[in-house]
Amino acid sequence: NAGVTQTPKFQVLKTGQSMTLQCAQDMNHEYMSWYRQDPGMGLRLIHYSVGAGITDQGEVPNGYNVSRSTTEDFPLRLLSAAPSQTSVYFCASRVKGGSVTGANVLTFGAGSRLTVL
Amino acid sequence: AQSVTQLGSHVSVSEGALVLLRCNYSSSVPPYLFWYVQYPNQGLQLLLKYTSAATLVKGINGFEAEFKKSETSFHLTKPSAHMSDAAEYFCAASYNAGNMLTFGGGTRLMVKP
Repeated sequence: NAGVTQTPKFQVLKTGQSMTLQCAQDMNHEYMSWYRQDPGMGLRLIHYSVGAGITDQGEVPNGYNVSRSTTEDFPLRLLSAAPSQTSVYFCASRVKGGSVTGANVLTFGAGSRLTVL
Repeated sequence: AQSVTQLGSHVSVSEGALVLLRCNYSSSVPPYLFWYVQYPNQGLQLLLKYTSAATLVKGINGFEAEFKKSETSFHLTKPSAHMSDAAEYFCAASYNAGNMLTFGGGTRLMVKP
């Protein structure tokens, strides 16, 4: 059981370039999300999805696009990279729903470190 | 906006000493609360979670956290630190049992031999 798989692990871009960070999960989780981690700021939610065809913005969505065509995949696109997007990106997933027993427990990928020059 | 505050971005303890990592949330309605741990170059792993069943929550690796509504706190403790506990710890809150998890800024725990 692979869990949440992110690719690439490392990427260097020049300002203005575009790229896609890939995220795949094999746990049949309805909910998937992208966070960015910056020193001293914890993790901040970029975008999330509660199922195929449904996406919504999080706390810091500007400069990022997402789509959800399948349950398994949730790619994050940077259309025109900026130095402010230098960060570590985490994809996370969980089951959907409001059950108190575990619905909010996220499973995280290992992260993708992006540097924009 | 709802927030989570972790006091101390870096905490250093000696091996065998008590570990205390502080977390406060901002809400009159208690949220679901979580502690995650991140080891170097890895993703986050769940340590423990509070979902209103009990105020003292036990997690993995000997960690526990106590929910105190009067202090809006959810501090993480471990009686005796081990070198393998060195990592970054994140407190997080879910205010609506839904789609947003708010993280604190993180506390890096260093354990001295």
